Amino acid sequence: QKEVEQNSGPLSVPEGAIASLNCTYSDRGSQSFFWYRQYSGKSPELIMFIYSNGDKEDGRFTAQLNKASQYVSLLIRDSQPSDSATYLCAVRQYGNKLVFGAGTILRVKS
Amino acid sequence: SAVISQKPSRDICQRGTSLTIQCQVDSQVTMMFWYRQQPGQSLTLIATANQGSEATYESGFVIDKFPISRPNLTFSTLTVSNMSPEDSSIYLCSVEENEQFFGPGTRLTVL
Repeated sequence: QKEVEQNSGPLSVPEGAIASLNCTYSDRGSQSFFWYRQYSGKSPELIMFIYSNGDKEDGRFTAQLNKASQYVSLLIRDSQPSDSATYLCAVRQYGNKLVFGAGTILRVKS
Repeated sequence: SAVISQKPSRDICQRGTSLTIQCQVDSQVTMMFWYRQQPGQSLTLIATANQGSEATYESGFVIDKFPISRPNLTFSTLTVSNMSPEDSSIYLCSVEENEQFFGPGTRLTVL
């Protein structure tokens, strides 16, 4: 079992729709969770982090965490073509080490 | 967040040679990390660069192949030694400031 799992996609959504990206993790002791966006040929860019159960909103982005289910998600409202990228879920482990999922490719069609 | 630069941004190297990648941060940071991203893959941590002591390597990565230096709190280098085509990847440094931020990466192609 992989430590951090994501559906590789691609996930295709029409412009203006809500994109829902999901991630599960195996280490029940994990405390910190991150979403990075990576455009093709670029390095990962941190867009959201969440430490507590529940929802965290930042602009069009909402991160959701359910530690009991070992599940973290990212919602993107009013999706734009510029949101088309690979979204990487990362979980912090001991020593501040980040373990990344394989990433989900998002395509927003205009 | 800190501004991170890497040199070189890309390189094409012959097998058997070595390449040293530099990572410079515009502020002092305690924790720096080196990651590898192979083509079409996600990020894998190579090692944590510790200031004033040896780097801490992850399983599957060894110091002889990936020697790391961390002479101060703003700078680190990663050397990819005795390269083979399988080392063709993007190499990224990152710094920890509550969250981790990544440098622009070094795209390495080994022929």
